[in-house]
Amino acid sequence: AQTVTQSQPEMSVQEAETVTLSCTYDTSESDYYLFWYKQPPSRQMILVIRQEAYKQQNATENRFSVNFQKAAKSFSLKISDSQLGDAAMYFCAYRSARAGSEKLVFGKGTKLTVNP
Amino acid sequence: DADVTQTPRNRITKTGKRIMLECSQTKGHDRMYWYRQDPGLGLRLIYYSFDVKDINKGEISDGYSVSRQAQAKFSLSLESAIPNQTALYFCATRTSGRGNNEQFFGPGTRLTVL
Repeated sequence: AQTVTQSQPEMSVQEAETVTLSCTYDTSESDYYLFWYKQPPSRQMILVIRQEAYKQQNATENRFSVNFQKAAKSFSLKISDSQLGDAAMYFCAYRSARAGSEKLVFGKGTKLTVNP
Repeated sequence: DADVTQTPRNRITKTGKRIMLECSQTKGHDRMYWYRQDPGLGLRLIYYSFDVKDINKGEISDGYSVSRQAQAKFSLSLESAIPNQTALYFCATRTSGRGNNEQFFGPGTRLTVL
């Protein structure tokens, strides 16, 4: 069974600085998708960024980028120029690309605090 | 208007009561999901549905049942609520087909079982 591990229960960053959140996963499959979701205090789950395993190029979305290391099964999220609105729980998630596979496997989350 | 809505947003009930949580979506997606979130455990899949006639158990389906009344509606029921079902419940939707199509989440329902 696939598992996702986020080893940092909490992180903090100063406004305008850069922070990296860690995620590792365990799978025997070669084709899959990885996601980072943000959950602010409003509790809404918001997709931040996604990565297809077959793509070597790291995904970027404005201030958010990932460092995808397939061999190491690592998928870290880098937030540049951190803003107060980035404060939230961040969840890493995995989904197999196998036909019929629907389950998103989530990590336990990292709580990010942004200090002014 | 929100694309994925959940009702109620908050609910307090007593042990042994039957509870139904409802989810509606206007995204036209065929796949719908129910997740449960507990503190420190992330989200776990309870049930999912490919379409009205295709419903599947997730990893923690015991104590829950679902009904897909229409493509746009997917309800989660707790037949006899117990305190360890106190959690945040999320509905999500996704379009079908291969690809990294994201799951779109509703705002969540906070359920407390006393």
